[in-house]
Amino acid sequence: EDQVTQSPEALRLQEGESSSLNCSYTVSGLRGLFWYRQDPGKGPEFLFTLYSAGEEKEKERLKATLTKKESFLHITAPKPEDSATYLCAVRPGRQGNLIFGKGTKLSVKP
Amino acid sequence: DADVTQTPRNRITKTGKRIMLECSQTKGHDRMYWYRQDPGLGLRLIYYSFDVKDINKGEISDGYSVSRQAQAKFSLSLESAIPNQTALYFCAISDLDTQYFGPGTRLTVL
Repeated sequence: EDQVTQSPEALRLQEGESSSLNCSYTVSGLRGLFWYRQDPGKGPEFLFTLYSAGEEKEKERLKATLTKKESFLHITAPKPEDSATYLCAVRPGRQGNLIFGKGTKLSVKP
Repeated sequence: DADVTQTPRNRITKTGKRIMLECSQTKGHDRMYWYRQDPGLGLRLIYYSFDVKDINKGEISDGYSVSRQAQAKFSLSLESAIPNQTALYFCAISDLDTQYFGPGTRLTVL
């Protein structure tokens, strides 16, 4: 069964304290792994797509990496405005629709 | 202007009422989706449409129906609302790859 697990469920950081969020997946024929940011009561905002193991993408303080079993979202020197829930999703090869994890809620305190 | 618009943004209704949530887009993408989001359960796919004549059930379609009135419009209906349909509802659009989400509709069924 295709599955996505995100950890931790919640993460509290001090401003400037770098850390990583994990997305582990079991899927047949990965056709893409997606990261989204979601603010409370708002729609998910697209961040990155990764397609193959070893691929990396960066945007400001965020860097996403991909292996054959998991993806990491690294946050370098976070600021309070980085506080949000980060969602990971995968697209299996056989049916094409996204399967979402439950998200990691990140809080960054000044 | 936003690429994806959802109306209404908030709705409170009573058990047994028929409700329609509307989604429109300005990007010209063929693919449109309806998701619901519940605390602790993540995003779950209700229905999706790859073009005006192609509509498919998602993971949790029972109790819902959809209509694709035009390429740019995709509506979700609850024929007889029940309290456990209280949730955040998101419309999404995509090209062949990335999904982009609307701002959401918060639906409360009393």
